[in-house]
Amino acid sequence: RKEVEQDPGPFNVPEGATVAFNCTYSNSASQSFFWYRQDCRKEPKLLMSVYSSGNEDGRFTAQLNRASQYISLLIRDSKLSDSATYLCVVSLSGTYKYIFGTGTRLKVLA
Amino acid sequence: GAGVSQSPSNKVTEKGKDVELRCDPISGHTALYWYRQSLGQGLEFLIYFQGNSAPDKSGLPSDRFSAERTGGSVSTLTIQRTQQEDSAVYLCASSPDDGYTFGSGTRLTVV
Repeated sequence: RKEVEQDPGPFNVPEGATVAFNCTYSNSASQSFFWYRQDCRKEPKLLMSVYSSGNEDGRFTAQLNRASQYISLLIRDSKLSDSATYLCVVSLSGTYKYIFGTGTRLKVLA
Repeated sequence: GAGVSQSPSNKVTEKGKDVELRCDPISGHTALYWYRQSLGQGLEFLIYFQGNSAPDKSGLPSDRFSAERTGGSVSTLTIQRTQQEDSAVYLCASSPDDGYTFGSGTRLTVV
């Protein structure tokens, strides 16, 4: 079983739609969680950290479910510019090493 | 500098040759990481530096791979006797504590 698993997609959604991605992780000792965004042939960029209480940044909402060991990302009112690959990232307690999922591709269609 | 700088941005090399990839992290970031991303694959951890020391080299695929960091700043990843399976994008990231900032990567093609 992979340490971090994501549905590769692609998720094809119309502009204005709401879309959600889930990510599961295998190690219950994981403590830090992030969503990164990667555009085609570009480096990953931090989208948002994921906190236990959940957090929101504009149209983006991240949630953590420790009991079920998954994190989610919700994007409301999708824009064409949201088209990218979204990478789920976890890190174990007290370590520096990030474990990346293989990403979920999102295509927002006009 | 303002961001993590990597050079070269692209490198084509012949099988069997050695290559050096350079990373210049964000000033003041003590932690530095190397990852690689093969086509259609996730990011694969290679090595982590804290200052000039490398507490974790567990991701280096073979003894053909080595890395060093000097002055708590610039890092060099060296691949000796390159093989075609080494073709990938090599990404460097630096971090103060939380959240990596990546460089734009070096796209290595071994022909």
